[in-house]
Amino acid sequence: KAGVTQTPRYLIKTRGQQVTLSCSPISGHRSVSWYQQTPGQGLQFLFEYFSETQRNKGNFPGRFSGRQFSNSRSEMNVSTLELGDSALYLCASSLGHRNTGELFFGEGSRLTVL
Amino acid sequence: AQRVTQPEKLLSVFKGAPVELKCNYSYSGSPELFWYVQYSRQRLQLLLRHISRESIKGFTADLNKGETSFHLKKPFAQEEDSAMYYCALKSHETSGSRLTFGEGTQLTVNP
Repeated sequence: KAGVTQTPRYLIKTRGQQVTLSCSPISGHRSVSWYQQTPGQGLQFLFEYFSETQRNKGNFPGRFSGRQFSNSRSEMNVSTLELGDSALYLCASSLGHRNTGELFFGEGSRLTVL
Repeated sequence: AQRVTQPEKLLSVFKGAPVELKCNYSYSGSPELFWYVQYSRQRLQLLLRHISRESIKGFTADLNKGETSFHLKKPFAQEEDSAMYYCALKSHETSGSRLTFGEGTQLTVNP
């Protein structure tokens, strides 16, 4: 069974630009969560989608948004990029309906904002 | 608000020595606690969860609600245990899979 796939793996943007990151969950998983990982803040929860609906949202500004498609693939978008948005963005999938807390993580998309 | 604290950013032990990675949490409701591990050049993955009360790779962790702790222990550390360990909390009252992570402890097991 293929694992969680995130694209792109690396990208460089400049301040003010916007970026879209993609995540393909494990087949059969209906929940997709996004986390931001930085050296200073650790892993911070962004949002979770289940069956195309946002189920949970973290404490990030409205510049951070996401969506989920009918095939459970998810995208997150960050608009008006700031230097502080430089981070590793991790996507994680789970079955979703049993809420076991077991998340399966992708390798991440490393965003650098210059 | 819920919070997870891992007081040690770095922990170094010798092979064969006991190891304990500390995790404390603050949460007023009913928590579910987990340990996640990230080996070098691998993805973050679940190591164990408190409700399973199981031992994985020789590691155990007991939820102590009185001390609000969920320390990870192994009696005899191995070199392959070197990795980044994250303690995480999930609210039992909240639907979904939202986890609050600690900042992690980098464990190094020396030969």
